[in-house]
Amino acid sequence: QQKVQQSPESLTVSEGAMASLNCTFSDGTSNNFRWYRQHSAKGLEVLVSIFSDGEKEEGRFTAHLNRANLHVSLHIREPQPSDSAVYLCAVSMGGSNNRIFFGDGTQLVVKP
Amino acid sequence: EAAVTQSPRNKVAVTGGKVTLSCNQTNNHNNMYWYRQDTGHGLRLIHYSYGAGSTEKGDIPDGYKASRPSQENFSLILELATPSQTSVYFCASGVPDWASAETLYFGSGTRLTVL
Repeated sequence: QQKVQQSPESLTVSEGAMASLNCTFSDGTSNNFRWYRQHSAKGLEVLVSIFSDGEKEEGRFTAHLNRANLHVSLHIREPQPSDSAVYLCAVSMGGSNNRIFFGDGTQLVVKP
Repeated sequence: EAAVTQSPRNKVAVTGGKVTLSCNQTNNHNNMYWYRQDTGHGLRLIHYSYGAGSTEKGDIPDGYKASRPSQENFSLILELATPSQTSVYFCASGVPDWASAETLYFGSGTRLTVL
């Protein structure tokens, strides 16, 4: 079964500094990836989706995918205190097997 | 705006009691999901549904039942609640896109405490 691991478990950055979060997955046939954000035990909201190697930008959020290395990352440009939340990586294979597997999350704290 | 609404927001139950968690979506999505979230385990899939009348077991279905009476509603039922089922439960709806990939839309969660 697909294993999705995120690092670091927690990350503290200063407002305005780049924040970088990592996600590795075990199944090389995975072909779609999403980053979700969760504020304080609330529901998740999708930030960016990526399906091919390279990068995908959505506002201040950029996802980088390298399937050969089984790695997808999220970079947050100019993070603000309101970006403090848990960030979850979601991986699936699409097609007829579209089960979604989540990582355990990275807790991000942005200090003013 | 698409919405997934869960009720209740908070619930305290007694061991052995029956608990029903409700979820309603106005997205007109075929797929609906129930997850629980616990520290150290992330989101774990309990049950899911591909449409009205269908329910499927997820990764941790034991002790839970699900019901999908309509496109809009998906319930999670704990017939005999146990303290190990104390958790935060999330409902989500989703629809496959062109790549059969799926973005999920989540409710705000139900915090369940079983004493």
